[in-house]
Amino acid sequence: GDSVTQMEGPVTLSEEAFLTINCTYTATGYPSLFWYVQYPGEGLQLLLKATKADDKGSNKGFEATYRKETTSFHLEKGSVQVSDSAVYFCALEDSGNQFYFGTGTSLTVIP
Amino acid sequence: GAVVSQHPSRVICKSGTSVKIECRSLDFQATTMFWYRQFPKQSLMLMATSNEGSKATYEQGVEKDKFLINHASLTLSTLTVTSAHPEDSSFYICSARGTGNEKLFFGSGTQLSVL
Repeated sequence: GDSVTQMEGPVTLSEEAFLTINCTYTATGYPSLFWYVQYPGEGLQLLLKATKADDKGSNKGFEATYRKETTSFHLEKGSVQVSDSAVYFCALEDSGNQFYFGTGTSLTVIP
Repeated sequence: GAVVSQHPSRVICKSGTSVKIECRSLDFQATTMFWYRQFPKQSLMLMATSNEGSKATYEQGVEKDKFLINHASLTLSTLTVTSAHPEDSSFYICSARGTGNEKLFFGSGTQLSVL
């Protein structure tokens, strides 16, 4: 069945460091791929998405490219800030509109 | 933007009692709501999908008599954990999708601890 494998955390970085959170997926068909972010005490929010191969999703300095050949959707940011501290979830939506989530990666950015 | 309110955020209860979790869409009509469960260090697992006015569709392995879902209106869905036991302790989160809306909006989650 479809699934998402996400880099385990927690991840701790210094401010302005480069961030990569790895995400790979297994799916039949052509899923849409998402990154969600959960700030402390809040619900999951959509961070970015890509709906087809080679699409790049971007938002708030974060980027992820839908790589069909490597079945990956790694999240990157060139310079993290303290306010980026949150839990990040990689997810896919299959053709039947069902979502599959990764385990979440907790990111802490220290000043 | 669309907001989904989930309440309570944290609940501690005694074994054998029932707990109700509410999920409300505040500024849109949620034709479909989803309930997820997350164990520590594991993925969010879909428990059930509910459409307003109809019975919920449960995922394989989820006991529908234990996890009662009611989606009585376009803005409210409830999950009741009946006769809770310690193994039901988990993080429960709801999400909602409106008519013609591709986006999924999530509640803030409920941490249930059963003693």
